[in-house]
Amino acid sequence: EAQVTQNPRYLITVTGKKLTVTCSQNMNHEYMSWYRQDPGLGLRQIYYSMNVEVTDKGDVPEGYKVSRKEKRNFPLILESPSPNQTSLYFCASSRDPSYNEQFFGPGTRLTVL
Amino acid sequence: GQNIDQPTEMTATEGAIVQINCTYQTSGFNGLFWYQQHAGEAPTFLSYNVLDGLEEKGRFSSFLSRSKGYSYLLLKELQMKDSASYLCAVRDRGSQGNLIFGKGTKLSVKP
Repeated sequence: EAQVTQNPRYLITVTGKKLTVTCSQNMNHEYMSWYRQDPGLGLRQIYYSMNVEVTDKGDVPEGYKVSRKEKRNFPLILESPSPNQTSLYFCASSRDPSYNEQFFGPGTRLTVL
Repeated sequence: GQNIDQPTEMTATEGAIVQINCTYQTSGFNGLFWYQQHAGEAPTFLSYNVLDGLEEKGRFSSFLSRSKGYSYLLLKELQMKDSASYLCAVRDRGSQGNLIFGKGTKLSVKP
């Protein structure tokens, strides 16, 4: 089944404790992206990747890192999480940047205490 | 700057028709998208418009006017399962595929 998977789905952590949210797609997509969704603010892009070893900042990259060592994986790293990073995070992928449809993962609900 | 506006909430009756509007002001334009998102779930793609006019897909239609910076999503024969948030998104010409999302319209369908 074609899909985007994220792990973990839910995470409660404390300020400053490094964490990684994994994202994997099995559709051989070139383009991958991370978003955060907050009430009243909508979906905002954190980082995106056009292909392996090619990443760039989105609208809200502060406090996050990403890597794209393999085509299928695009982990999101929070080196020192803070409470303002409490949010719902979505990973998405697309065949290529110009393709019409992005496929979203199921989301990761992160709480930073 | 980039700005996408859509109503925060709407209510409609089962079996009726509802129109969700979206206006946008972006530095470039390379397509407008509508996504549906049920509470607690991931967004799913509904439609894409890049040329002016109406695109129809079953009970859902989407319209675009580039000169007016305006789009709408039309939902016909509303069903209870259509209760969801509807997200309007624009792809900026220079953004290499990146989407700018509006804040979403929460639609409640009543019996």
